[in-house]
Amino acid sequence: AQKITQTQPGMFVQEKEAVTLDCTYDTSDPSYGLFWYKQPSSGEMIFLIYQGSYDQQNATEGRYSLNFQKARKSANLVISASQLGDSAMYFCAMRDGPHNAGNMLTFGGGTRLMVKP
Amino acid sequence: DADVTQTPRNRITKTGKRIMLECSQTKGHDRMYWYRQDPGLGLRLIYYSFDVKDINKGEISDGYSVSRQAQAKFSLSLESAIPNQTALYFCATSDPGNYGYTFGSGTRLTVV
Repeated sequence: AQKITQTQPGMFVQEKEAVTLDCTYDTSDPSYGLFWYKQPSSGEMIFLIYQGSYDQQNATEGRYSLNFQKARKSANLVISASQLGDSAMYFCAMRDGPHNAGNMLTFGGGTRLMVKP
Repeated sequence: DADVTQTPRNRITKTGKRIMLECSQTKGHDRMYWYRQDPGLGLRLIYYSFDVKDINKGEISDGYSVSRQAQAKFSLSLESAIPNQTALYFCATSDPGNYGYTFGSGTRLTVV
């Protein structure tokens, strides 16, 4: 069974508008972490935002916020005020278990975001 | 210098050749990982190591082997490369003391 699902292979957004990238996950572990990474065309993996399963508030980092709905097992990334430089692949990933277990990340298939001028 | 360095950055090799991808880190992390990314897809785990004496297979270990020469070095080998191993390979490290994972810049491997 797939642990991380990103159902949007590709998305367009108009510059300066907000966009939501979907991510659903599956785990039976009560302690887990959710990550979003950005991969520009150059290929590197850029960490964007993290949400722990016990965090009471949704994570935010600048223009990035994570809409964490635990009961629905979703962790959608919201990018506000899109910029042309936001055009990239975006990956959702999950770490099963508490952070001090240091377990490996499992990745979704990614969403390619294209920002239109 | 980058925290996690992968060499080479790009490599073209022929079918049947042995090739080694190297990863070194200055983070002082015990845990290291090798991932593979196929075009348009997410990353999949090949091998991981939680310390120099602990090496484990990941989701797609067939056709690969690894060596953890030291805390800072974790190498991935393709004993006999085949075209469907053409991919982007990432090394990563993690620290159980926090939630951070650090990725190298990737090695783009083409097997012809």
